[in-house]
Amino acid sequence: ETGVTQSPTHLIKTRGQQVTLRCSSQSGHNTVSWYQQALGQGPQFIFQYYREEENGRGNFPPRFSGLQFPNYSSELNVNALELDDSALYLCASSPTSGDNEQFFGPGTRLTVL
Amino acid sequence: GENVEQHPSTLSVQEGDSAVIKCTYSDSASNYFPWYKQELGKGPQLIIDIRSNVGEKKDQRIAVTLNKTAKHFSLHITETQPEDSAVYFCAASKPGGSYIPTFGRGTSLIVHP
Repeated sequence: ETGVTQSPTHLIKTRGQQVTLRCSSQSGHNTVSWYQQALGQGPQFIFQYYREEENGRGNFPPRFSGLQFPNYSSELNVNALELDDSALYLCASSPTSGDNEQFFGPGTRLTVL
Repeated sequence: GENVEQHPSTLSVQEGDSAVIKCTYSDSASNYFPWYKQELGKGPQLIIDIRSNVGEKKDQRIAVTLNKTAKHFSLHITETQPEDSAVYFCAASKPGGSYIPTFGRGTSLIVHP
């Protein structure tokens, strides 16, 4: 059984640019959630995708958007990057939308200069 | 929205000692309280959880207690080992179609051999 994978592992962008982060969910999981984890903080919920539809969103502006594909992998897109977007972005998959047990990937470390 | 406070931010113990991490939450509707362990370079991993209809739960060296009236819950680790060293996060979530946890800021546990 393959776990949750994320790519890339590290990324450096400049302010104003756009970025796309990718996540492959664990086999058999149809739900993917994205989190932002700033240094020294706990993860903050960005949004969740269930069967290709957004199924819940945290307090993040519209420049944070996502997509889920038919194979349940997912993308997180961030437009007009700001310095405060520098963080570890975590993806977590679960068997279904209401399932409490989420399996996290190792994250993508984004640095905005 | 929900607010989760976690203390202490850093906890240093000797191998074999016990460690206790405490969290409080603000929303009385929250009914699910997981604890995650995050090792360096990895995503959080669920280690134990408790629901609001239970006051205590134990799994080998790890236990969690919940006081619904006071809106606080705690993680207890007994006979700590160096491999317990990590950042621990508490979280709280409300019932609903989507699982959307609110995380605490984390506790860095250091177990000295």
